[in-house]
Amino acid sequence: QVQLQESGPGLVKPSQTLSLTCSVSGGSISGSDYYWSWIRQPPGKGLEWIGFISSRGSTYYNPSLDSRFTISIDTSNNQFSLRLNSVTAADTAVYFCARYPSSIAAPSPIDDWGQGILVTVSS
Amino acid sequence: DIQMTQSPSTLSASVGDRVTITCRASQSISTWLAWYQQKPGKAPKVLISDATGLESGVPPRFSGSGSGTEFTLTVSSLQPDDFATYYCQQYSGYPWTFGQGTKVEI
Repeated sequence: QVQLQESGPGLVKPSQTLSLTCSVSGGSISGSDYYWSWIRQPPGKGLEWIGFISSRGSTYYNPSLDSRFTISIDTSNNQFSLRLNSVTAADTAVYFCARYPSSIAAPSPIDDWGQGILVTVSS
Repeated sequence: DIQMTQSPSTLSASVGDRVTITCRASQSISTWLAWYQQKPGKAPKVLISDATGLESGVPPRFSGSGSGTEFTLTVSSLQPDDFATYYCQQYSGYPWTFGQGTKVEI
């Protein structure tokens, strides 16, 4: 059973860069069967899908969000990451990493999630 | 983007009640719809995929129906463990989008 675990700072100052890492255990991130994704949830609000990265490094970002997000992958360490530049208080949220099958012929929802990490943007 | 609209936003119910949550898509998504349950401080858990497919380990009191733009999640007899927030999510096309959530409370 694969497990995903987010790590990173719980507090970031406005205008700084937020960096989060998702460590994957119980399975290889290098396989082509999954997309690796980030989702966030502001306190008391709904879920917002940020984007995904494939094991080959192909990315897709939610165009409804601005272009401050970058997702990268480190197959040697079996982890992937999220960077968010120029954060504001509006970026305060629980950030979840997740994975889902990458089949185009048979799309599937998210079946594995990390526990989430609360990131607060405040001076 | 495909907009997902859930109703109601909040649902007050009692143990044993039959409850139904509706999710509408702004365009046809066939049956590429999932339902998730989320409890406070936890990650969402998928209950239903492909609009009607019960995930392994999910109690059969949960069921999903619909296709195209109209979907429902039904809990046939609400149990204490079911008080949570429920989200629909379309995976027909990117960007993936979620409904705003339905909180089921006592």
